[in-house]
Amino acid sequence: GNSVTQMEGPVTLSEEAFLTINCTYTATGYPSLFWYVQYPGEGLQLLLKATKADDKGSNKGFEATYRKETTSFHLEKGSVQVSDSAVYFCALTPNTGNQFYFGTGTSLTVIP
Amino acid sequence: GAVVSQHPSWVICKSGTSVKIECRSLDFQATTMFWYRQFPKQSLMLMATSNEGSKATYEQGVEKDKFLINHASLTLSTLTVTSAHPEDSSFYICSASEARTGKNIQYFGAGTRLSVL
Repeated sequence: GNSVTQMEGPVTLSEEAFLTINCTYTATGYPSLFWYVQYPGEGLQLLLKATKADDKGSNKGFEATYRKETTSFHLEKGSVQVSDSAVYFCALTPNTGNQFYFGTGTSLTVIP
Repeated sequence: GAVVSQHPSWVICKSGTSVKIECRSLDFQATTMFWYRQFPKQSLMLMATSNEGSKATYEQGVEKDKFLINHASLTLSTLTVTSAHPEDSSFYICSASEARTGKNIQYFGAGTRLSVL
């Protein structure tokens, strides 16, 4: 089946620290992978995506590389800011339909 | 980028009343829309998949008579919570997929916070 396992939070970092949020998946076929971000009181926003193995998605300083050999899509940022405080969701879609599968979300708090 | 508008953003209602939530794709056609429910500090739980012009497909455990979904056009889907009770209080989020081939991205609404007194 299809599923996403995401690093549990909450994560608290100081400003300018390095961020890694782990995400691994199981899927049939060749899924597309996504990271979504949810700011307090808001819906989800697409942060980045990768559609095939070895693709690197990037946006706003965040990066994630689609690793088929390790079935992973870890989110990284070299220097976090207070404004990055949010909940981050890893997700996949198996490309055989529109169904999305979400991880449980990781709450990130960045302190000045 | 594609925009999905969800309305209302917050609604408070009395127990036993019905509440309608609208989800609109503003600048693209969405043959498929999705309705999620999110409990505090938890992930999104898919409730149903809504296809334009046909009946919605509900996930296991979701009462279709309780959560009525209508997808009357390519830009509008509605979720009606019928006879709402306090346990229905939650954050409801819709999303829409672009109809164009190869654009397998879901765009999310800002969510609706439902509080049932």
